[in-house]
Amino acid sequence: SSELTQDPAVSVALGQTVRITCQGDSLRRYYASWYQQKPGQAPVLIIYGKNNRPSGFPDRFSGSSSGNTASLTITGAQAEDEADYYCNSRDSSGNLYVFGTGTKVTVL
Amino acid sequence: QVQLQESGPGLVKPSQTLSLTCTVSGASITSGFYYWSWIRQPAGQGLEWIGRMYTDGTTTYNPSLRGRVTISVDTSKSQFSLNLRSVTAADTAVYFCARDIGASFPGSFGYWGQGTLITVSS
Repeated sequence: SSELTQDPAVSVALGQTVRITCQGDSLRRYYASWYQQKPGQAPVLIIYGKNNRPSGFPDRFSGSSSGNTASLTITGAQAEDEADYYCNSRDSSGNLYVFGTGTKVTVL
Repeated sequence: QVQLQESGPGLVKPSQTLSLTCTVSGASITSGFYYWSWIRQPAGQGLEWIGRMYTDGTTTYNPSLRGRVTISVDTSKSQFSLNLRSVTAADTAVYFCARDIGASFPGSFGYWGQGTLITVSS
C-alpha cells in the first residue's frame, strides 16, 4: 500500500489553475517529486527538490509543500497537460522510495 | 544525454524467474554517485518502486516483494539487471529502469527507459 495519497481525479478548464496534492507523513521531512505520465509513455519528471524543473519543462508547473502535504500547481492549464500525475518521495523510514496513488487530470 | 533501455522476455511462466536488463548509455553505472532503480506499473494502475542499486553496488529493495528480487550490475556491458523469482500473475506489469536526475536528488527519477511489458502466464 502507498504511503502517499493523491486524489484519484481532478478536472480543470482550459487556461485555469489546478492544484494536485500528495499527502503523507514522510513529506514532513522529505521533498516530493512530481511526474507526468501520458498513455503508453514512461513518466516524465516535472518537479523535484524544493521547486526545481528539469530544463525545457514549462514554468506553468510549480511545486510547494506544507506540513504533510506536497502540491503541484498547473497555472494556465493547456490541453497537452491532460495526463496522470504521480508524486514520489521517501517512505517513513527514509530508506525506501514510494509513489503516490496518482491523479488523473482532465482539461475541459 | 543519459539513455536507458530495458530488455526482457515478454512472457514468463508462473513460478519462474523474471530477468530484465537495463542498458545504459551516456553515463557510467559505476561512477557519479547515482542510484539506479527498477519501477513497475501494472496495466491501469500506479507506479511501484522495486529497488535500487547505488554506484558502489549497494542495493535496497522494496520489502513488499518479500525477498524475491535481486538487482545486479554488469559493468563490462554498462548494464544493470533485475531478477524477480517465483513470479505470479500479480507480477504482470510494464517494468521501467530509471536513474536519479542528479546526485543531490536521490529518488527523483529524471531518466527513464521506455518500459517493457512482462506478462506472467502459462
